[in-house]
Amino acid sequence: EVQLVESGGEVVQPGGSLRLSCAASGFTFDDYAMQWVRQAPGKGLEWVSLITWDGSQTFYADSMKGRFSVSRDNSKNTLYLQMNSLRVEDTAFYYCTRARVAVAPPDSWGQGTLVTVSS
Amino acid sequence: HSVLTQPPSASGTPGQRVTISCSGSSSNIGSTYVYWYQQLPGMAPKLLISRNDQRPSGVPDRFSGSKSGTSASLAISGLRSEDEADYHCAAWDDSLSGVVFGGGTKLTVL
Repeated sequence: EVQLVESGGEVVQPGGSLRLSCAASGFTFDDYAMQWVRQAPGKGLEWVSLITWDGSQTFYADSMKGRFSVSRDNSKNTLYLQMNSLRVEDTAFYYCTRARVAVAPPDSWGQGTLVTVSS
Repeated sequence: HSVLTQPPSASGTPGQRVTISCSGSSSNIGSTYVYWYQQLPGMAPKLLISRNDQRPSGVPDRFSGSKSGTSASLAISGLRSEDEADYHCAAWDDSLSGVVFGGGTKLTVL
């Protein structure tokens, strides 16, 4: 069974930093591209970033470029999202997802971790 | 403001057939596959339809997807109370080099 378990979400002040982690199991991690998707409370889904299976390529939504950085450790089956210069509007549930093809929407989702940016 | 356009709400009575539309452009739906997700209240999204019309294992055949040009549709037949959820469409966008989503459609079973 595919499992994606996010952690690291918490309350942080505007301008602060946070690193999210996603532990993957139940599938061959380095066969898949991985993506982060977020959802502000009561709002729609917003794609955040993508990393290819080997980490050689990364892509970001325009509003996250320069502030967020995605990485992975295939030896630990773990995906990361480093978030800097956080803004109130970054408050959301952050979902770890996997994609069989890098240039495609995800096929599996974690349960999400809540990031709250507030003073 | 979402790149893909969905109606904010839809409704039907048990047993009815309902459809949810998703409109995009040549850089997304017009050139790539459409995916659909079901999000039950308080839960994470779950894949419902991939590659326009493919149902993952475990998804009832009451759910079906189709695509024509730059638009796609999700159809739910034999509506049940447990289908009450938010439904989201998604596609890769070649111009943005990223995944784009619709704003989501809240389905109410009357």
